[in-house]
Amino acid sequence: KNEVEQSPQNLTAQEGEFITINCSYSVGISALHWLQQHPGGGIVSLFMLSSGKKKHGRLIATINIQEKHSSLHITASHPRDSAVYICAVNREGQFYFGTGTSLTVIP
Amino acid sequence: NAGVTQTPKFRVLKTGQSMTLLCAQDMNHEYMYWYRQDPGMGLRLIHYSVGEGTTAKGEVPDGYNVSRLKKQNFLLGLESAAPSQTSVYFCASVTNREGADTEAFFGQGTRLTVV
Repeated sequence: KNEVEQSPQNLTAQEGEFITINCSYSVGISALHWLQQHPGGGIVSLFMLSSGKKKHGRLIATINIQEKHSSLHITASHPRDSAVYICAVNREGQFYFGTGTSLTVIP
Repeated sequence: NAGVTQTPKFRVLKTGQSMTLLCAQDMNHEYMYWYRQDPGMGLRLIHYSVGEGTTAKGEVPDGYNVSRLKKQNFLLGLESAAPSQTSVYFCASVTNREGADTEAFFGQGTRLTVV
């Protein structure tokens, strides 16, 4: 069983829709990261969270440490948001990754 | 990603050939990691290093060797490539081992095909 579970695995949305990607983990962590990977591209760090909520532009990330759950929200989605979004947790110096959520935003 | 450079970006090897992937970072980070990414699976840790001259095995180390002779460089070697090592390889460099201010930087990836 993967220590980090993401849902959904695949997501298709119309441009402008509000999108939520969820991440659950089963171990104690020091921080959680949301990463973005475009097709054929590298991995970019979007957020690093240890508590509460962070916002960058149209992206919002929240974490509930007690429930071991995090969400990534995209407001007013755009085709350029199409990518794989990966949740990763940092525990004792090691990173554990979810399998990713593949998002396609249709114009 | 600023600060982490992987070379090469693409490579095709024949079974049994050897090669070295280079990861270079200019952020003075102690911690560096090599991962492989395969379809339907999360990134899996191959080897990692907590500082110059140190290396340690990760989840899937077999068939790979690493070296960290200089702090800024972390090399991943395949001694005798096998088709099962066809994958996309990512290097990561991290600000701190753990903690609320840990930030991870990834390279652009190396797409390796072993035929």
